[in-house]
Amino acid sequence: QVQLQESGPGLVEPSETLSLTCTVSGGSVTSGSDYWSWIRQPPGKGLEWIGYKYYSASTSYNPSLNSRVTISVDTSKNQFSLKLSSVTAADTAVYYCARGGRVGGTTMFDHWGQGTLVTVSS
Amino acid sequence: SYGLTQPPSVSVSPGQTARITCSADTLPKHFAYWYQQKPGQAPVLVIYKDDKRPSGIPERFSGSSSGTTVTLTISGVQAEDEADYYCQSADSSGIYVIFGGGTKLTVL
Repeated sequence: QVQLQESGPGLVEPSETLSLTCTVSGGSVTSGSDYWSWIRQPPGKGLEWIGYKYYSASTSYNPSLNSRVTISVDTSKNQFSLKLSSVTAADTAVYYCARGGRVGGTTMFDHWGQGTLVTVSS
Repeated sequence: SYGLTQPPSVSVSPGQTARITCSADTLPKHFAYWYQQKPGQAPVLVIYKDDKRPSGIPERFSGSSSGTTVTLTISGVQAEDEADYYCQSADSSGIYVIFGGGTKLTVL
């Protein structure tokens, strides 16, 4: 059973870079069929897909965040990471890491981390 | 622009049937998925590929698709089913993931 756990600072100052890491257990980030993903949820609001990285292939990011997002994979630690630059209060959210899988040309998320709240404030 | 449209809320009495819809022009082209999210918890996949149920999900959860609308049906609703439900699919290219705005299911 794949398990994911987010970690990182809970408070980030405006204009700085938000950095989070997701540690994967019970599975491998080198899997050829998994899409390692980040999804966020502002307080009281809905889910927003941030992006994913498919090991050894390209990344795909939400067009609304594309210029500020980087998702990378660290195979030595079986982790993947999110960096979101130039944050503002609008980036305050619970951030989830998730394992995605491609099914019939679309991506679904069958395993999620518990989520971590990141607040952007000075 | 593109998006998945869900009703903000649905209310049903225990034992009744709840139906939550999700609409978009792209749905005839791409599969839809449904997630249940209870307060303070991560979302859980309850339906995939329009109408498939993952192992461990109760049989009272079912999905269907017709044209530009997909529907999550919960038969014999129980108090524990009270949660937010999100549909998810893809944009016209199939590359970008999109979520519906979510539907709050209230069990009266």
